[in-house]
This record gives sequence, C-alpha cells and structure tokens, in this order.
Amino acid sequence: DGGITQSPKYLFRKEGQNVTLSCEQNLNHDAMYWYRQDPGQGLRLIYYSQIVNDFQKGDIAEGYSVSREKKESFPLTVTSAQKNPTAFYLCASSGPGLETQYFGPGTRLLVL
Amino acid sequence: DAKTTQPPSMDCAEGRAANLPCNHSTISGNEYVYWYRQIHSQGPQYIIHGLKNNETNEMASLIITEDRKSSTLILPHATLRDTAVYYCIVHNAGGTSYGKLTFGQGTILTVHP
Repeated sequence: DGGITQSPKYLFRKEGQNVTLSCEQNLNHDAMYWYRQDPGQGLRLIYYSQIVNDFQKGDIAEGYSVSREKKESFPLTVTSAQKNPTAFYLCASSGPGLETQYFGPGTRLLVL
Repeated sequence: DAKTTQPPSMDCAEGRAANLPCNHSTISGNEYVYWYRQIHSQGPQYIIHGLKNNETNEMASLIITEDRKSSTLILPHATLRDTAVYYCIVHNAGGTSYGKLTFGQGTILTVHP
C-alpha cells in the first residue's frame, strides 16, 4: 500500500536530549513537510523540502533540524534548544502539482 | 494565502447531510479551496478541493459561490465516523508559499446517533 509512515507513535525525551522522528513515504512525492500541532490548535509548519538535498524553514523552525538525503525519507530532529517540544508531530508529502498533501499518522512527543 | 473563517462547532444527526460553511472573502483568483479533516489523534485526511466549479467525489461535495467568497462542504449521509475537526484552507500551490497549508481552528463536527 502506498502511504506515509511515521515512527515511533509515542516518543519520550529527557531534558537536554536530542530525539529524531522518522518519516518515510513510498508515494514517489518530491515535496515533504513537517508540522507541529499543540492541543486544540491547528498545524504549524516547521520545515519543508521541495526536492532531495534541499529544505526550507517554515514558521517555527527554531530548535529543530531536518535532512533530506533520500526522496523517500525526511527525518526531523528535535534538539535540546527546543524548550517546549511536547506536541503532536505530523509529516506530509505532496506530488507534482503541489496541491494535495497526504499526512502520516503522527508522532506524539512527551518530555520526561 | 487568504484567511478563512469557520464556525467553531456543528452538530449533525446520523444519516442526515452535514453542511459545513467556510468564508474566504479575500480569496484571489488563482487560489484553490481545500478541505481536510482530522479525526482525534490522527493525521489530517484530504477530502476535496476546487477552484470555482462545484466538485464531488466519493467522500463529499464542495459548493463554491459564484463570487468565490464562500464555500460549503457537504457530507451527504453523515455517519458517526465522520465526527472530526474539518479544516477549510485556501491555497495557491504554485505561489511563493510553496506547498504550505495554513490550518486554522477548523469546525468540530459531532455526528449524533
């Protein structure tokens, strides 16, 4: 089945620790995105990538880093510089028309 | 991207049509209207999109007014599984906001038995 997978479903971070969230897609999409969602709020864009080896900051990139070494993969690292990392993280991808974005199931990050 | 306004919540009886309104009075000519929904603790799901003509797919219908300042998403026979937050988004995919979707608060649709 084609789609987007995110792992893990739940992730716990200790103070001062970097953690990496995985996002993989087999839709052959060029563009991929990371969003953050806080309780009762809409989604906010963290980073996006239009093509392999290229990515751009979104609205709330501080404290996060990404890489795009392969078309299928767009991992997000939540660094220790992100002081309020507890949130629901969503990865998405879109195809040639850049119109419709398809989302993964999300990763919920909690701070211990 | 143009801003959208949606009611914070709506109720619907199971089996009846759910009509979700969206106001986008500042929409520009090359911006599409998209609808997504998000069931609790899941990723958003694409429903439908349109530019100026009405659109229908297996999930829903989208009615866009002639002046394009508002639209209505119609779920023809709502089920309990349609309970979700519905987001109306106006977006120009080929513009400078490249692929960025601006999600507002959306409408919480609750379908009752």
